Amino acid sequence: QQPVQSPQAVILREGEDAVINCSSSKALYSVHWYRQKHGEAPVFLMILLKGGEQKGHEKISASFNEKKQQSSLYLTASQLSYSGTYFCGTETKTSYDKVIFGPGTSLSVIP
Amino acid sequence: GAVVSQHPSRVICKSGTSVKIECRSLDFQATTMFWYRQFPKQSLMLMATSNEGSKATYEQGVEKDKFLINHASLTLSTLTVTSAHPEDSSFYICSAREHRPLAGGLGDTQYFGPGTRLTVL
Repeated sequence: QQPVQSPQAVILREGEDAVINCSSSKALYSVHWYRQKHGEAPVFLMILLKGGEQKGHEKISASFNEKKQQSSLYLTASQLSYSGTYFCGTETKTSYDKVIFGPGTSLSVIP
Repeated sequence: GAVVSQHPSRVICKSGTSVKIECRSLDFQATTMFWYRQFPKQSLMLMATSNEGSKATYEQGVEKDKFLINHASLTLSTLTVTSAHPEDSSFYICSAREHRPLAGGLGDTQYFGPGTRLTVL
């Protein structure tokens, strides 16, 4: 079952922060985050495997709340290069070994 | 990070012809590869899971006789769109799972190929 992402779209000015949420109706084993720019393939950002786990890459970080079956991606001091569509992918405990992607969140960073 | 290649990057064909798309993991062994289809402004829809040496597992609603998948080796999987029609026009993306035994298998990172844009006239 496809995870739910919110918001659908967000516009930021350079330097502002944003949060993208991903939630599932099923118990999760892992959450994967990707960014896709127009016309290109998705690029891996990070994977979270354990409840309570938080990871970061430069100014992009994520958390995984296993109990709430949700994950959040945090973009701090956004840069123009952060623009794109962000997808979360979830691996559930009942259908492991395949990742189902959410509908995506379109992020636009403007000067 | 790991590199996955796809070939061709773009293909235009006539209705009724078959098209083969290759997906290779260049610097790692991938026991599992996945094929996705993405329509404009939509999410990636999983079509099938391909395991080396065994038959692919197709998602509900995906015709296995139309989308033939062969996972010939630990570094190569192919998707053949048979008797393609205009409604098959889409962006096809493969991904390969980097198998890391110490990580326990599940939750391994998936790396995506650059995608193949198929246009059927």
